Amino acid sequence: EAQVTQNPRYLITVTGKKLTVTCSQNMNHEYMSWYRQDPGLGLRQIYYSMNVEVTDKGDVPEGYKVSRKEKRNFPLILESPSPNQTSLYFCASSFSTGGQDTQYFGPGTRLTVL
Amino acid sequence: GQSLEQPSEVTAVEGAIVQINCTYQTSGFYGLSWYQQHDGGAPTFLSYNALDGLEETGRFSSFLSRSDSYGYLLLQELQMKDSASYFCAVRDSDSWGKLQFGAGTQVVVTP
Repeated sequence: EAQVTQNPRYLITVTGKKLTVTCSQNMNHEYMSWYRQDPGLGLRQIYYSMNVEVTDKGDVPEGYKVSRKEKRNFPLILESPSPNQTSLYFCASSFSTGGQDTQYFGPGTRLTVL
Repeated sequence: GQSLEQPSEVTAVEGAIVQINCTYQTSGFYGLSWYQQHDGGAPTFLSYNALDGLEETGRFSSFLSRSDSYGYLLLQELQMKDSASYFCAVRDSDSWGKLQFGAGTQVVVTP
């Protein structure tokens, strides 16, 4: 089954404790992206990757890191989480062609930073 | 950069037609996409307009007018399961990878 998986689905942590949210896709997509969703603000892009070893900032990259060492995985790293990073996080992937734009989203990770 | 505006909420009865408008201010973009998100769920892709005009997919249609900086999603023959949030999104013409979403429109379908 074609899918994007994220782990963990729920996480409660404390300020300053490094964490990683994993994202994996099995569709051989070149493009992967991370978003955060907060009430009234829609989805805001954190980082994206056009292919292996190619990453770039989205609109809200501060406080986050990413890496793309393999095509299928795109982990999101919070080196020192703060309460303002409490949010719902989505990973997504797609083929990177300009003629279409079908992104497939993971189920989401609800993060609470105390 | 881009700025997208859409209404925050629309209410309609089953069987009705709903139009969700999306206006944008952008220096250039590849196309306009629409996504649906049910409460507690992940966004799912609905449609994409790269060119001006109407794209139809079953009960849902999407329209784009680049000259008017405007697009809309049309939901026909509304069903209770269409109650969800709907987001428009554009890709930056300077960088295809950069994607910006509107704040979303909550559609409430009543019996």
